Amino acid sequence: KQEVTQIPAALSVPEGENLVLNCSFTDSAIYNLQWFRQDPGKGLTSLLLIQSSQREQTSGRLNASLDKSSGRSTLYIAASQPGDSATYLCAGDNTDKLIFGTGTRLQVFP
Amino acid sequence: GAGVSQSPSNKVTEKGKDVELRCDPISGHTALYWYRQSLGQGLEFLIYFQGNSAPDKSGLPSDRFSAERTGGSVSTLTIQRTQQEDSAVYLCASSSFTGTGTYGYTFGSGTRLTIV
Repeated sequence: KQEVTQIPAALSVPEGENLVLNCSFTDSAIYNLQWFRQDPGKGLTSLLLIQSSQREQTSGRLNASLDKSSGRSTLYIAASQPGDSATYLCAGDNTDKLIFGTGTRLQVFP
Repeated sequence: GAGVSQSPSNKVTEKGKDVELRCDPISGHTALYWYRQSLGQGLEFLIYFQGNSAPDKSGLPSDRFSAERTGGSVSTLTIQRTQQEDSAVYLCASSSFTGTGTYGYTFGSGTRLTIV
C-alpha cells in the first residue's frame, strides 16, 4: 500500500529564506508526482507536476525534483514571501488515483 | 468550464438526512475523483471514475456512500442517513487520462459538509 510522508509537518520562517520541503513514498511504482498548495478553507491549487519521464519541474520561485529510486521528492521555494504561507501537499499517482502526503504547514512571517 | 465546479459550497444538514454533492469537471476530462478531507486530516480517496464507470470504489467508507457519473461529465456523491463523522470537506478533481499517465489533477473548491 502506497504511503506518502512529508517532512517537516510544520515550518515557520522569516521572509526571504530559501526552503526545502520533503516528500517520501513507500512504493516506487509511482507514476507522476504532483505538488499542491492549500490555503485555509480553500481547495487545492496545483503547483508542479513531474511526469514519469521527468526528474524535475520549475515554475517561478518553485522547483520540484523526483527521484523514484529513492522514493523521494523535494519542493524548493526560493526567497520565500508571506504569500507563500499555506499547506503544501505532495501526491503520488499510481495511474488511477493520487495518494496524498500528510502535508507541510508553512508560515512565512515578514 | 474553465475549472472544476462543485456545489453547494457549504451544506449543513441534520443527522440522518440524505445529502447530494455535485461536481462539474473540466470539459473533456475523462477521469473524475472524489476525496474527503476531515478536520486536521489528510486527503482521503473515495472513488474514481473513468468515463461513466467506476473502476475503483475502494475508498467509499460505507454502503451509505454512493456516487454516479452521467454523460461522462457531471458526478454526484450521495451520502444516505448522514452521521456526524461524515462532516468534512468533499473535494472533486478531474484529469485528462492519456493511458500513459495523467496530465495532472485539477481540484474544485470543495463542499464543506456539516452534520448537526
